[in-house]
Order: sequence, then structure tokens, then C-alpha cells
Amino acid sequence: KAGVTQTPRYLIKTRGQQVTLSCSPISGHRSVSWYQQTPGQGLQFLFEYFSETQRNKGNFPGRFSGRQFSNSRSEMNVSTLELGDSALYLCASSLDWTGAGNTIYFGEGSWLTVV
Amino acid sequence: GQNIDQPTEMTATEGAIVQINCTYQTSGFNGLFWYQQHAGEAPTFLSYNVLDGLEEKGRFSSFLSRSKGYSYLLLKELQMKDSASYLCAVLMNRDDKIIFGKGTRLHILP
Repeated sequence: KAGVTQTPRYLIKTRGQQVTLSCSPISGHRSVSWYQQTPGQGLQFLFEYFSETQRNKGNFPGRFSGRQFSNSRSEMNVSTLELGDSALYLCASSLDWTGAGNTIYFGEGSWLTVV
Repeated sequence: GQNIDQPTEMTATEGAIVQINCTYQTSGFNGLFWYQQHAGEAPTFLSYNVLDGLEEKGRFSSFLSRSKGYSYLLLKELQMKDSASYLCAVLMNRDDKIIFGKGTRLHILP
């Protein structure tokens, strides 16, 4: 059974640009969550999607957005990139929505560097 | 606000036992996860505790005390491959979010 797949794995962008990251969850999983990981702040929750609807949102500005498709694949977008957006972006999938207490399984992440 | 505390770094010797503590103050509590993350890799699931007590899974055990807002991860018979960061995370029942601590970087010495 394939794990959570994220693309691209590494990317470099310039300040002011926008970026789209993609996540394919484990087959059969309907919930996808996104996290930002930095050395200083650790893992911070961005948002969760379940059945194509955003169920939950963290404390990030509106520049961060996402969506989920009918096949449960998800994308997140960051517009008007800032230097501080440089981080590892992790996608995690679970069988059901997070509140049900299901284990979340992480992908390898997308390393974003903003220059 | 939400607060999850764990030590930043710990060092232990191969073959020994180490206990990584985690304390939390959160708005509501459903359960507590432990994840392991090797440098440059994805976090991998270790355990999920909902009820008070100790749960053993091979060399790893996890303990929870809901009344004290406290958990620990116990690693026995340490191996070099156990060098990693260990993340404590709380599932909050108020808004169904999982909040992570900043992680404990564990160094294993030969």
C-alpha cells in the first residue's frame, strides 16, 4: 500500500511568487491535513480537509489556502511568498476526520526555500 | 492558549533506557500521540494514548496521566537508529485539532 505522496520534494521560489504543493493520501483515506515545520516553531497546523471541505484551520494568514478533490488528493497554495515561508510543508492523511482519533500518516514533505 | 512542553535535547547511551517527558495545557483533550522523526524524513507514528496508564509496544512504551497533563515515552535497549526527534502531540476535543510540541532531539552515544 503506497504511503502519502507529496510533490515536489524540493523547490526554490522568489519573494512575491506563489507556490502550489500537492499531496496524494493513502488509498482509502478521506482526510488530509497540512502542517508547516520550521526549526524555531516546530510543527504547526495549517488546515484539514475532509470530503472536499475544509474542516479546520490553523492560525495562518489568508495567503495560505488549500483544497481537496473528489479523489481525496489535496493541494495547498501560498501566494505572495515571504522569506519566513521557507519551511518543510508536511501533508498527513487519515482514514477519517482528525477528531475521530485516527492516526495520521505523514508524507516525506516538500522543502520550500524562499529567496 | 495551548502549550505543550518537552525537553529540547537529550543524550543517552546505546543499550540504556531513556524517558522523554511531555506536559500539556490545552483547551480540551481527546488523546495524545507520540511520533518519531529522523532528520530529513517524515514523522512516523509510535503511539496514541487516550486513557490513563502505560501502553507497551516492544521496546517503546507510552504513559499518560490526564489529571496531571503529563505523558512520557520510554525507550528501552536503545539502539543507534533511535537517534531522532520525538514529537508529542495532543488531539484537542474542543476543535479537533492536533497540536504538536517542538520535539525532543535524542542523541544516542555508542
